[in-house]
Amino acid sequence: GAVVSQHPSWVICKSGTSVKIECRSLDFQATTMFWYRQFPKQSLMLMATSNEGSKATYEQGVEKDKFLINHASLTLSTLTVTSAHPEDSSFYICSARGGLAGGGRGEQYFGPGTRLTVT
Amino acid sequence: DAKTTQPPSMDCAEGRAANLPCNHSTISGNEYVYWYRQIHSQGPQYIIHGLKNNETNEMASLIITEDRKSSTLILPHATLRDTAVYYCIVRPRSNDYKLSFGAGTTVTVRA
Repeated sequence: GAVVSQHPSWVICKSGTSVKIECRSLDFQATTMFWYRQFPKQSLMLMATSNEGSKATYEQGVEKDKFLINHASLTLSTLTVTSAHPEDSSFYICSARGGLAGGGRGEQYFGPGTRLTVT
Repeated sequence: DAKTTQPPSMDCAEGRAANLPCNHSTISGNEYVYWYRQIHSQGPQYIIHGLKNNETNEMASLIITEDRKSSTLILPHATLRDTAVYYCIVRPRSNDYKLSFGAGTTVTVRA
């Protein structure tokens, strides 16, 4: 159980275009989803927290108009990188937190990541 | 949030136990100790967490000192597939469930 998927697993796009990344919790309802970014040889950096049906909360220094997050259902969150530039090239990872109902522990489970390359 | 200190890297032999230390001397009473690992080019994987008691699951054991200022993750029989970056994270017992990842320990299991 507790499987989180991401799509696509990798994407190459041209500078100035927008890219959408999907994050799905496959076997549980995610009350909260998180988006992280990881540059080569660095650790994960939290970008934003999203709760279903409400606006995302962005970490300091993350541009909310550039990284659009939509959490329309309890199993799906999307991250759209708008007007992507080469410096946005990174490994984007989502995580989903289940609830406490039914014996759940509310832990975060991570997706496999999406590697974005902007040319 | 309390910070953690981990050695940057360590090697261990396949089939032997791997003991990964973590210092969290500023931990407060309402903070949990979590361990995640990240295999190269994959998302992090949850391993185990605890508050003050030692914990064991199918993956590992977590030993937390009585003063809670340090902990050790034990992989009982390391395999080559356990090669990864291991993150020790202290998380407040709050509602936001945010995780703050440090540099972690790069563990290399050698045959």
